[in-house]
Amino acid sequence: EADIYQTPRYLVIGTGKKITLECSQTMGHDKMYWYQQDPGMELHLIHYSYGVNSTEKGDLSSESTVSRIRTEHFPLTLESARPSHTSQYLCASTLSGTTQETQYFGPGTRLLVL
Amino acid sequence: KNEVEQSPQNLTAQEGEFITINCSYSVGISALHWLQQHPGGGIVSLFMLSSGKKKHGRLIATINIQEKHSSLHITASHPRDSAVYICAVPSQGGQFYFGTGTSLTVIP
Repeated sequence: EADIYQTPRYLVIGTGKKITLECSQTMGHDKMYWYQQDPGMELHLIHYSYGVNSTEKGDLSSESTVSRIRTEHFPLTLESARPSHTSQYLCASTLSGTTQETQYFGPGTRLLVL
Repeated sequence: KNEVEQSPQNLTAQEGEFITINCSYSVGISALHWLQQHPGGGIVSLFMLSSGKKKHGRLIATINIQEKHSSLHITASHPRDSAVYICAVPSQGGQFYFGTGTSLTVIP
């Protein structure tokens, strides 16, 4: 069973607010990912990290930032939320060093920006 | 062009039917993953395979590396199998390419 957690699970917030979505994993995985997924649509990579102090932007520019100060923690911050940010945000992690890497997903955060 | 293509996009079946979901990919891979996402839920990994076939309960996954094709089969389908099934392959850069998903509805 995957030990990867996301909080909050649901968030309703007004336009312009700053929000941080939390993601933590207790598996010691070095690689972590943030995905955005609209209902019925595919996953889009927005940020990823290959280890502490390593972060990269993905394919989708979501006007968000991430940090990786500790291996187990990979928070996602929206400086100024907009209605276009309404979506589901999924965090995932993998352990590198093998040729077959299974991604473990968190339960997701459903964000609604009014 | 997507690196990973899935078909069908939507699938409705009667309980008990045998179901097949297909995945084709265009990149070289070391392994392919099948994921399951229930409505309102998170994503769980069903299979990770690099050759041949794997079976877990009523689920069977096959892959043909030469043809760059994988299939996910569900035998004796049940309404609780209703979910979105996603095919994913790792890129050389360590990220993943995802298919658009197949939305399966099994009717009692």
